[in-house]
Amino acid sequence: EIVMTQSPATLSVSPGERATLSCRASQSVSSNLAWYQQKPGQAPRLLIYGASTRATGIPARFSGSGSGTEFTLTISSLQSEDFAVYYCQQYNNWPITFGQGTRLEIK
Amino acid sequence: QVQLVQSGAEVKKPGASVKVSCKASGYTFTSYYMHWVRQAPGQGLEWMGIINPSGGSTSYAQKFQGRVTMTRDTSTSTVYMELSSLRSEDTAVYYCARGNSQQLAPVGPWGQGTLVTVSS
Repeated sequence: EIVMTQSPATLSVSPGERATLSCRASQSVSSNLAWYQQKPGQAPRLLIYGASTRATGIPARFSGSGSGTEFTLTISSLQSEDFAVYYCQQYNNWPITFGQGTRLEIK
Repeated sequence: QVQLVQSGAEVKKPGASVKVSCKASGYTFTSYYMHWVRQAPGQGLEWMGIINPSGGSTSYAQKFQGRVTMTRDTSTSTVYMELSSLRSEDTAVYYCARGNSQQLAPVGPWGQGTLVTVSS
């Protein structure tokens, strides 16, 4: 199975600053990569799919890039509601697999 | 709007089975695959399997083969996930999440989650 590795495990950033989260796949997943946001006590929410396409209703400050094995989620100017855990997911091969998550916390 | 409403929390003893339901509304039920994902307390997301609500075909993660069964009822637009031979490590929040018309796809929206606690 494809192992997804996210870094860092925890990222401390001040509101208004940029956050950059990384995700690496153990083998190529082409552009079949999604990002999810999860807030405490809530279900995850799809942010990005196809590595770079924002899901419906997702603000433009969220952007995704990468292909193959290296991917990045960038949040351009952090708002208070953006502090959460972020997961990447590959859907190129069975089984679908998730990264272990990056916790984005307020600095 | 698309809504997935799951059944309530469950407490089960080791060795028992649990069946979680997920009722869909706001879209054509048979046109979208449904996934099940679980999350142990304080842990990450783990994909369990997928069901095609149209024909009922399923595909399960190897880890759960033999213990999980996913079914659907098209008359009520509901999918079910049954997990048997429960052990303490199965304590988790179980989510249903809608895919799209392809099996390998991103998922969303998600149900609200169902907490299953396995304890003697």
